[in-house]
Amino acid sequence: AQSVTQLGSHVSVSEGALVLLRCNYSSSVPPYLFWYVQYPNQGLQLLLKYTSAATLVKGINGFEAEFKKSETSFHLTKPSAHMSDAAEYFCAVANRDDKIIFGKGTRLHILP
Amino acid sequence: ETGVTQTPRHLVMGMTNKKSLKCEQHLGHNAMYWYKQSAKKPLELMFVYSLEERVENNSVPSRFSPECPNSSHLFLHLHTLQPEDSALYLCASSRGTGGVYEQYFGPGTRLTVT
Repeated sequence: AQSVTQLGSHVSVSEGALVLLRCNYSSSVPPYLFWYVQYPNQGLQLLLKYTSAATLVKGINGFEAEFKKSETSFHLTKPSAHMSDAAEYFCAVANRDDKIIFGKGTRLHILP
Repeated sequence: ETGVTQTPRHLVMGMTNKKSLKCEQHLGHNAMYWYKQSAKKPLELMFVYSLEERVENNSVPSRFSPECPNSSHLFLHLHTLQPEDSALYLCASSRGTGGVYEQYFGPGTRLTVT
């Protein structure tokens, strides 16, 4: 069985500061890992996806995530936060033939 | 229209009403999904359709009835709902049902049951 844990339901960072959103997964087989973003009153939008091609995955809007098998982690980072990054972020895990399992989400607040 | 569209965007209904949510995907995908998103709860997968055939039904109450007439359209028929059914209902689609395929989401229908 797979699972995903996002540490921190709310994270606040100052504009221009580093964004770090944490995600740990559990999977008995090599996983596919995803980060999605949800802006207010919208659906989820794919930020990036890990499929074992490279451990550092670059996504849209300047975000990237690094797959660390030894730590079972897939943390999302952005070097410099922008006000427009305020949203809810979801980490998700899947194996090749099964459904995607979503985490509970982390709401990112950007402080001026 | 591009991507995944959902109508209506907002719906208020009484507990005795019957209404339907509509989803349409313009991506040529073969799989479609309904999710329920409630405050302070994880995203809940309700139904999965692959090539118009229901492949998953996650113990959803019978007051929710899905319909997939073709691979581009998905409906969720609602009747005699409860106040706890108030939530954001999200539709998604993907090329296939395996985890290798990322899902593309619509903007959702905000449902309020009074």
